Amino acid sequence: QSALTQPASVSGSPGQSITISCTGTSTDVGGYKYVSWYQQHPGKAPKLMIFDVSYRPSGVSHRFSGSKSGNTASLTISGLQAEDEADYHCSSYAGRNTLVFGTGTKVTVL
Amino acid sequence: QVQLQESGPGLVKPSQTLSLTCTVSGGSISSNGYYWSWIRQHPGKGLEWIGYIYYSGSTYYNPSLKSLVTISIDTSKNQFSLKLTSVTAADTAVYYCARVSGATIHYWGQGTLVTVSS
Repeated sequence: QSALTQPASVSGSPGQSITISCTGTSTDVGGYKYVSWYQQHPGKAPKLMIFDVSYRPSGVSHRFSGSKSGNTASLTISGLQAEDEADYHCSSYAGRNTLVFGTGTKVTVL
Repeated sequence: QVQLQESGPGLVKPSQTLSLTCTVSGGSISSNGYYWSWIRQHPGKGLEWIGYIYYSGSTYYNPSLKSLVTISIDTSKNQFSLKLTSVTAADTAVYYCARVSGATIHYWGQGTLVTVSS
């Protein structure tokens, strides 16, 4: 069970859109519609932003959206704001009642 | 609102067993459909799923940690626990407990730092 691959860092200016990728295999990301995304500010616990590939929990800004194509899932943040600066982690169901996380991406707002 | 709180020693000696407990409040640990999970985060790194348990006692573990990990549940106390044996410095991490629904973690504990050092 290998970690899903995310870019180490992504940056953008306020108001821009950025996309974070999460690449796995056909046995995890590509095989199921169970990809989640979590936002984590320094010293804090992760917070759920997207689940089941593209669903937003109540209270999460519509600026966050998720999608998937093949073995790669993506999180897009539109209208980037200073408060979006954080680490972002993807996760996927990996079969046989197991989960796998991504390597994590640091988002910087320039 | 479900809340989870980790507790346990912050310092463990190498080769010993790391033991943590998660206390759940605001909901029953015996509720259908939820798995109770442990996740860790090495300093400056990504998250690593350790495993989870259902209220019935069924357990599922990360294959890479399976031989070293035991997760148990005490429904009478609304708690579940983690034991990680034969720890090394590589097990130094922040350990989170969490509630999993499907493959989604809606609720997290605040996390507790465990350092492995003599």
